[in-house]
Amino acid sequence: GQSLEQPSEVTAVEGAIVQINCTYQTSGFYGLSWYQQHDGGAPTFLSYNALDGLEETGRFSSFLSRSDSYGYLLLQELQMKDSASYFCATRENAGNMLTFGGGTRLMVKP
Amino acid sequence: KAGVTQTPRYLIKTRGQQVTLSCSPISGHRSVSWYQQTPGQGLQFLFEYFSETQRNKGNFPGRFSGRQFSNSRSEMNVSTLELGDSALYLCASSSVSGRTADTQYFGPGTRLTVL
Repeated sequence: GQSLEQPSEVTAVEGAIVQINCTYQTSGFYGLSWYQQHDGGAPTFLSYNALDGLEETGRFSSFLSRSDSYGYLLLQELQMKDSASYFCATRENAGNMLTFGGGTRLMVKP
Repeated sequence: KAGVTQTPRYLIKTRGQQVTLSCSPISGHRSVSWYQQTPGQGLQFLFEYFSETQRNKGNFPGRFSGRQFSNSRSEMNVSTLELGDSALYLCASSSVSGRTADTQYFGPGTRLTVL
């Protein structure tokens, strides 16, 4: 089976940088994804890492170390609209069966 | 392109009843997955359908079932509803090729309340 651990809450100020960590235990591994979900909304895709290293998409970056079973999401130049829950997720096979972490609630303060 | 649509958006049922939820994926997407989201258990995978066949199944009782039609639209059914089935049910579609093959696009969800 799969299990993913991430912090439950993180607070940061506008303009700052925040890192959300995710550690995982999997029987199979087809990459680590990150999703954002605002209250009352649907999860939206942010980033995907299949291989070790850093992927950058605008203000968001995601990192993966397969040897450490670890990844993180880095959010730069935080804005108030970034206040949301962030989920890491893995796939254990080539299908679209995602196992999600418990989510990290990010609160951005002025 | 239109996004993933789910109907109905809200449902109230009583224990013992059954319910059917519908999902229309993004045009051209052949993979449809269903997830249950609750405050206690988080986001949990229910099942995935691809080309009308169930490709993956999560750890849910047999009361939860689904199907996919030839136009890729999908339905899920929950029979003999229990209070614990109250949740947000999310549908996600995915392309199976190209650079977006690893991205799942979620619909707005159906909020099911069981009384």
